[in-house]
Amino acid sequence: SQQGEEDPQALSIQEGENATMNCSYKTSINNLQWYRQNSGRGLVHLILIRSNEREKHSGRLRVTLDTSKKSSSLLITASRAADTASYFCATPTSGTYKYIFGTGTRLKVLA
Amino acid sequence: EPEVTQTPSHQVTQMGQEVILRCVPISNHLYFYWYRQILGQKVEFLVSFYNNEISEKSEIFDDQFSVERPDGSNFTLKIRSTKLEDSAMYFCASSADFFQETQYFGPGTRLLVL
Repeated sequence: SQQGEEDPQALSIQEGENATMNCSYKTSINNLQWYRQNSGRGLVHLILIRSNEREKHSGRLRVTLDTSKKSSSLLITASRAADTASYFCATPTSGTYKYIFGTGTRLKVLA
Repeated sequence: EPEVTQTPSHQVTQMGQEVILRCVPISNHLYFYWYRQILGQKVEFLVSFYNNEISEKSEIFDDQFSVERPDGSNFTLKIRSTKLEDSAMYFCASSADFFQETQYFGPGTRLLVL
């Protein structure tokens, strides 16, 4: 897979359920970020997790990072209709300034 | 909370015309970036800018593109002679420190080249 690939590509759940999205990457990283994008809108930063962290929480969001597997997961608990959006992970390319974005997971939360 | 702003939100232009997309990064940030997202595709890095010069650019950022920080607050992306394939959402981002901190994105400018 390419750097920063999310899985699944699309996810549809009922309001109140939990949503889990995964991201895999190839190279060593200093940190990994998760962003949300509502349709046709800008990127909203959700969480940054550093390479020496294994888990991080922010409200209903929980992010894990497994550097041995080069993967991260984003869990949204008790989802709401307003969580409907695309979710991207972004990883820095070693030795460069750029972040590589995955193709994203399109989450649809049904009311 | 400080945020990155971009103008205009939408721009329609004719092929071959020059466009300037404007961004105001977060005021105490030092690193600035442009990314683009063609409809339905990934967000792609274009260029990073630090200390008044380009620190890195992608293969997309050819001679038709340029960036400038004309004053202490604005950061611009110029496309000299637009092509149809330049149609995309262009995002500006800024960060306090590349290696440690988050890149904060603006709302984007949707560019349509006819």
